[in-house]
Amino acid sequence: AQSVTQLDSQVPVFEEAPVELRCNYSSSVSVYLFWYVQYPNQGLQLLLKYLSGSTLVKGINGFEAEFNKSQTSFHLRKPSVHISDTAEYFCAVSTYGGATNKLIFGTGTLLAVQP
Amino acid sequence: GAVVSQHPSWVICKSGTSVKIECRSLDFQATTMFWYRQFPKQSLMLMATSNEGSKATYEQGVEKDKFLINHASLTLSTLTVTSAHPEDSSFYICSARDSTGKRTFFGQGTRLTVV
Repeated sequence: AQSVTQLDSQVPVFEEAPVELRCNYSSSVSVYLFWYVQYPNQGLQLLLKYLSGSTLVKGINGFEAEFNKSQTSFHLRKPSVHISDTAEYFCAVSTYGGATNKLIFGTGTLLAVQP
Repeated sequence: GAVVSQHPSWVICKSGTSVKIECRSLDFQATTMFWYRQFPKQSLMLMATSNEGSKATYEQGVEKDKFLINHASLTLSTLTVTSAHPEDSSFYICSARDSTGKRTFFGQGTRLTVV
């Protein structure tokens, strides 16, 4: 079975500062990795995903994440955050292959950007 | 990009009544649809996976007789919460996956309040 751990429930940061949201996963098989953002009372929007290839993945809104297989991590980073980045961020994992494979979500990290 | 429309976005119902939530894929055929439940400040918990024309597969602990899922076409899945109780109040989110299995899109969610 797969699991996802997001150790930080909340990350406060000042505007224009860099940020890193941590994600670690556990799986006995190879996986796909995802980061989603959720604004209040809305569904989820895909920020970026790692399927294969380069371990550094660039997504929307200036976010990027690096897949580290040895550390089983997929941390999300942004060099300079904006107030509008305030939202809940979820890391998720899915196993390879099959249209019915499930997304397993972490508990989420609230990114709170302060002016 | 592909869009998944979820309706209604919010609903209030009386205890003991049933509520139906619709999830539509607007510009692609959704071979598989997923239904999630999200309690305040918590992660998304997968309730069930449904394939078009088949019975849904429910996660452990989810009452299939209470949460009826129908996936009658490649663009529509419905979740019916039967005999709703206040503890069913939650944010329900659907997602739809295309036939390649590589693209998954989320609806905007439905806030259900049972009074």
